[in-house]
Amino acid sequence: GQNIDQPTEMTATEGAIVQINCTYQTSGFNGLFWYQQHAGEAPTFLSYNVLDGLEEKGRFSSFLSRSKGYSYLLLKELQMKDSASYLCAVSPRNGQNFVFGPGTRLSVLP
Amino acid sequence: KAGVTQTPRYLIKTRGQQVTLSCSPISGHRSVSWYQQTPGQGLQFLFEYFSETQRNKGNFPGRFSGRQFSNSRSEMNVSTLELGDSALYLCASSLSAARSYEQYFGPGTRLTVT
Repeated sequence: GQNIDQPTEMTATEGAIVQINCTYQTSGFNGLFWYQQHAGEAPTFLSYNVLDGLEEKGRFSSFLSRSKGYSYLLLKELQMKDSASYLCAVSPRNGQNFVFGPGTRLSVLP
Repeated sequence: KAGVTQTPRYLIKTRGQQVTLSCSPISGHRSVSWYQQTPGQGLQFLFEYFSETQRNKGNFPGRFSGRQFSNSRSEMNVSTLELGDSALYLCASSLSAARSYEQYFGPGTRLTVT
């Protein structure tokens, strides 16, 4: 079966660092993706990990451990505009449809 | 380059009716995927089309169907609407099936079934 878990909600302070975790159990693995979705808007692509390790892209970094079925998204120097839902998604096999996690709603407070 | 467009943006239907939603992918993109997003179930895959052929299908009843035209535009149809079909329907396009991870989402169609 396919199962992806994320915390439902998180709260952090402007300027701080927050880590959003994602654990997955899927039949096959071809990559893990993070999307950001602001309320009422479409998801936008943030990052992609297919090999173990850390991928850094500006204030955002994503980590993957395939042996543990675990990933996290790290957001640094939080800004109010980072308040959004963050979706973890796994591609089980090349070309097959994604499986999305339930999303983590992040609230950044002043 | 224009993004993914979906029409209509909002729709209200009654139980038993049918509905057709439209998606125009980014120019040059040949793969279109459809997703249903609800607060309780999150984002769930409906189906994917590539070059007018359905490549993958999610776990939804046969009331949900779709098609893709030669210009890559896609439509999805839901027949005999149920209250539980109320959701945000998102369309995503990508350049090709092999690169389906680079998906670009449209703004969605908010369907309310009363």
